[in-house]
Amino acid sequence: DQQVKQNSPSLSVQEGRISILNCDYTNSMFDYFLWYKKYPAEGPTFLISISSIKDKNEDGRFTVFLNKSAKHLSLHIVPSQPGDSAVYFCAASDTNAGKSTFGDGTTLTVKP
Amino acid sequence: NAGVTQTPKFRVLKTGQSMTLLCAQDMNHEYMYWYRQDPGMGLRLIHYSVGEGTTAKGEVPDGYNVSRLKKQNFLLGLESAAPSQTSVYFCASSYSFNSGTEAFFGQGTRLTVV
Repeated sequence: DQQVKQNSPSLSVQEGRISILNCDYTNSMFDYFLWYKKYPAEGPTFLISISSIKDKNEDGRFTVFLNKSAKHLSLHIVPSQPGDSAVYFCAASDTNAGKSTFGDGTTLTVKP
Repeated sequence: NAGVTQTPKFRVLKTGQSMTLLCAQDMNHEYMYWYRQDPGMGLRLIHYSVGEGTTAKGEVPDGYNVSRLKKQNFLLGLESAAPSQTSVYFCASSYSFNSGTEAFFGQGTRLTVV
């Protein structure tokens, strides 16, 4: 049973437009959610996070929204840039358990 | 400013051979993790450590062993490699597991078992 799901394997957007990446989870014990970005042949790097007690967190061009009742979060990138082309992983943390669960990732392609 | 360093970057093993993957971090982090990533899938936790001398099982621990004898190092061992262990392995570390602390990842080790 996959507890963190990213249902869109890929997303393609035009440079300057908004990119919206989605993530759904099933475990109510998750109390923190993180987004990581991964370029080919590199390890993932942290992008942005949100606590389960908040519904929005913003950092520059990146905003994460959390809908706790729907168990859904999304990452918005505005405006999208070609350098944003990468695989984006959603991760959910259960702090008491001491570990994170990752989704399968969404490959974002931003076309110039 | 090395961060998290994994050794080796690539390796080809024959079925039944053993090997050890080394992870070293220079950030004085308490928590360390080993993940594997298979094509089209996310990162799955193999084993993790909450401090020097401690280890715990993750989602997919079978066929692997780990040791954390020094705070800065986390070793992942394959005693008898199988083709199903062909994957990209990532090590990560974090200074805390509270408050959604992010993990820092190494560059990965691509392992092929033939």
